[in-house]
Amino acid sequence: GDSVTQMEGPVTLSEEAFLTINCTYTATGYPSLFWYVQYPGEGLQLLLKATKADDKGSNKGFEATYRKETTSFHLEKGSVQVSDSAVYFCALIDRGSTLGRLYFGRGTQLTVWP
Amino acid sequence: EPEVTQTPSHQVTQMGQEVILRCVPISNHLYFYWYRQILGQKVEFLVSFYNNEISEKSEIFDDQFSVERPDGSNFTLKIRSTKLEDSAMYFCASSELRADTQYFGPGTRLTVL
Repeated sequence: GDSVTQMEGPVTLSEEAFLTINCTYTATGYPSLFWYVQYPGEGLQLLLKATKADDKGSNKGFEATYRKETTSFHLEKGSVQVSDSAVYFCALIDRGSTLGRLYFGRGTQLTVWP
Repeated sequence: EPEVTQTPSHQVTQMGQEVILRCVPISNHLYFYWYRQILGQKVEFLVSFYNNEISEKSEIFDDQFSVERPDGSNFTLKIRSTKLEDSAMYFCASSELRADTQYFGPGTRLTVL
């Protein structure tokens, strides 16, 4: 079945450090991939997405590339800020499915210190 | 920018009571979803809804749960007789197309005492 595996957190970084959060997936069909972010006390916000192999999603300095050969969609940012402190969720939708539910990873807590 | 809204933001109830969680999806969206997140755990799918009927439901969505679109704007989740383990954050989401990007509301935190 479809599933998403994310690196365990928490991740603690200093401001301006480089961020990588690993995400790999298993899908029976042909998935679209997403990163959602949850800031403290708030709901889930779409951060970026990619719908086909080799696509790069980007937003607010974050990037992730859809790698079909390694079934991965790792999130990266070159220089994190304190305001990036949040929980990050990798997710997929299997576009070959008639149903369209999102499968989420467990989430990675990021804390950035000044 | 259009957004999904949810009410209430926090609901406290006694075990065995009925609760109704409300959502207003983005106006031109046709697909609606409920997810929940128990504290510290992953976000779990509950149910999807399209064309006034359930498209899919998970094993969590048992007979105690129901969904409804009572009018042209609201989408509700009802829990008939709440249990302690129903305590969670409940998120509503909507999408314009099937298997398309889903946009989430801010959530309703349900606390069952």
